[in-house]
Amino acid sequence: QQPVQSPQAVILREGEDAVINCSSSKALYSVHWYRQKHGEAPVFLMILLKGGEQKGHEKISASFNEKKQQSSLYLTASQLSYSGTYFCGTENYGGSQGNLIFGKGTKLSVKP
Amino acid sequence: NAGVTQTPKFQVLKTGQSMTLQCAQDMNHNSMYWYRQDPGMGLRLIYYSASEGTTDKGEVPNGYNVSRLNKREFSLRLESAAPSQTSVYFCASSEYWQGSYEQYFGPGTRLTVT
Repeated sequence: QQPVQSPQAVILREGEDAVINCSSSKALYSVHWYRQKHGEAPVFLMILLKGGEQKGHEKISASFNEKKQQSSLYLTASQLSYSGTYFCGTENYGGSQGNLIFGKGTKLSVKP
Repeated sequence: NAGVTQTPKFQVLKTGQSMTLQCAQDMNHNSMYWYRQDPGMGLRLIYYSASEGTTDKGEVPNGYNVSRLNKREFSLRLESAAPSQTSVYFCASSEYWQGSYEQYFGPGTRLTVT
C-alpha cells in the first residue's frame, strides 16, 4: 500500500518547471509532501485534504484528485534551493489517524 | 524551542549488542513516531505513540521495542542488533492542524551494525 511516486529522479535547469506525482491504491484522506536535503531530516511542505483544501507554507503548489487517488506537486521557476528528495506521505481511510505511508521519493536536482 | 532532538547522531554496534535511541520534543505534541530510512526505500514506520502511555506497531516493528516515557520522550530500543538494522533512524512528532497532522522530524541517528 506504499504510494508510488514518479518520476524517480529529475534534473532541471534553474527556472524550469517540474511535476512530481504520487499515486495510491487506497482511498486517501490526505496527502502530505516533504522535502529532504542530503544528510538532513525531511521538512514539511504541504498538506492536501479531501475536498480540495490545500495547506502549505511555501510557494510550491499541489493538487489532490480524490477520485484517482493521486496528488501532484508543482515546482515552477525552480531555484537551486529546490534540490533534494521529495516524498509524499499518504493518510488512508481506515488507517490510524495521523499515520503516514511514505513513497520512495523523487530526487530533484536543479543546476545553474 | 529545539523542536525534535535525537541522540546519538551516529552509532556503530557489533552484531548482538543492544542500544537505545533517545528522542524528545518540546512542542507539547501528543503523537510521536519512529521511522527508519534505507536507500531507495523511503521512510518506513517502526512504531508510533498516539499519546502518552500508548504505543503501537507500524510497518516494520520486528527487532525493536519502544517506550513512551512521558509526553516529551519516546525511545527506541534494539535488543540484539543485526546488520539488517543498519539504517538512518528518524523520530517525529505531530499535532492536529487544520484537518490533519503535520509531522516534525528530528535530525536522525545514523546506525551501523557490523
